[in-house]
Amino acid sequence: EAGVAQSPRYKIIEKRQSVAFWCNPISGHATLYWYQQILGQGPKLLIQFQNNGVVDDSQLPKDRFSAERLKGVDSTLKIQPAKLEDSAVYLCASSPGPGRDTQYFGPGTRLTVL
Amino acid sequence: GENVEQHPSTLSVQEGDSAVIKCTYSDSASNYFPWYKQELGKGPQLIIDIRSNVGEKKDQRIAVTLNKTAKHFSLHITETQPEDSAVYFCAASIRQAGTALIFGKGTTLSVSS
Repeated sequence: EAGVAQSPRYKIIEKRQSVAFWCNPISGHATLYWYQQILGQGPKLLIQFQNNGVVDDSQLPKDRFSAERLKGVDSTLKIQPAKLEDSAVYLCASSPGPGRDTQYFGPGTRLTVL
Repeated sequence: GENVEQHPSTLSVQEGDSAVIKCTYSDSASNYFPWYKQELGKGPQLIIDIRSNVGEKKDQRIAVTLNKTAKHFSLHITETQPEDSAVYFCAASIRQAGTALIFGKGTTLSVSS
């Protein structure tokens, strides 16, 4: 069974530029999460999708971050404009759905904002 | 808000020794507690999890204990090996299971041979 796929693996941008990350969850998984992991810390939830609907985006900085999962499968996370403090690893995770909540993580995208 | 505290932040042991990592959580509604291992440049990998209706769970050299009254849970690794060296994160479900996780800050485990 293929795991969670993410791309790109690395991205370097200047502050105020925009960037997008892509995630393809494990086939059949209804729930998809985006986490932000700053160096030396644990992952922090940004947004949770159930199929193509948002379950929790309370910690998403909506003035600059947006995410979508239009067809209930893959997802895109965008930052526009980026700030220096957005430098982090962005992790995507998926789980089968309600009642089956084990989360499986992708390798992450390491973002550096200069 | 919800919080998970994890200790110690670093842990060094000799090969063959045991390692224990402890976490406390704040939200009494949390009922799912996974542990993840993260190696450099990789995403977190689930190693064991426990739900609130169970006090202890074991999988070969790894065990987790949960004390819901005290709101703390622990990871125990026995007979440590150099390949156990990594960063370990505890996590608790935000509110009930099926929701996202809140993570501790991680423990860097170093196993020397």
